[in-house]
Amino acid sequence: AQTVTQSQPEMSVQEAETVTLSCTYDTSESDYYLFWYKQPPSRQMILVIRQEAYKQQNATENRFSVNFQKAAKSFSLKISDSQLGDAAMYFCAYRSRNSGNTPLVFGKGTRLSVIA
Amino acid sequence: EAGVAQSPRYKIIEKRQSVAFWCNPISGHATLYWYQQILGQGPKLLIQFQNNGVVDDSQLPKDRFSAERLKGVDSTLKIQPAKLEDSAVYLCASSGGVGANTDTQYFGPGTRLTVL
Repeated sequence: AQTVTQSQPEMSVQEAETVTLSCTYDTSESDYYLFWYKQPPSRQMILVIRQEAYKQQNATENRFSVNFQKAAKSFSLKISDSQLGDAAMYFCAYRSRNSGNTPLVFGKGTRLSVIA
Repeated sequence: EAGVAQSPRYKIIEKRQSVAFWCNPISGHATLYWYQQILGQGPKLLIQFQNNGVVDDSQLPKDRFSAERLKGVDSTLKIQPAKLEDSAVYLCASSGGVGANTDTQYFGPGTRLTVL
């Protein structure tokens, strides 16, 4: 079974600075997706960024980028120019690509605080 | 495009009572998921539907939980009787649209259940 580990329960960053959230995962599969989701206090889980394992290029979405290290099974999220609205729980998630739509396996999350 | 809708947003019941949650996925999404998110943890899959058929319910406590997806659209999740440990946020997600994001899961706002 796949597992996802987020070793940082809480992180904080000054407004306009850069922060990196860590994620490692364990799988025997070679084809999969990785995601970062943001969950603000409203509880709505919002997709931040996704990465296909077969792609070597790291995904970027505006101020959000990932460092995907397939051999090390590491998938970190970098948030640049942090804004107050970035404060939330961030979940790293894994999804197998083997057969159809499969469920997400989530880590325990990292709570990010942004200091004005 | 309307997002995933869920109701109610909050529910408080006493143990041994029954409760039902409703989910309306994004139009055209064939796959629907119910996740349980206990405080301080990442969401965990309870059940996955493909159209109106169950794909995976291995983590659903079938002695008290049931779910159905009539006509492959809306879904209801029921708990009867509820236990204290069922206190959690219940998230509904859907996937299966067209285009590049066909396998991305989109989440509803969740229902926070408190069992007293």
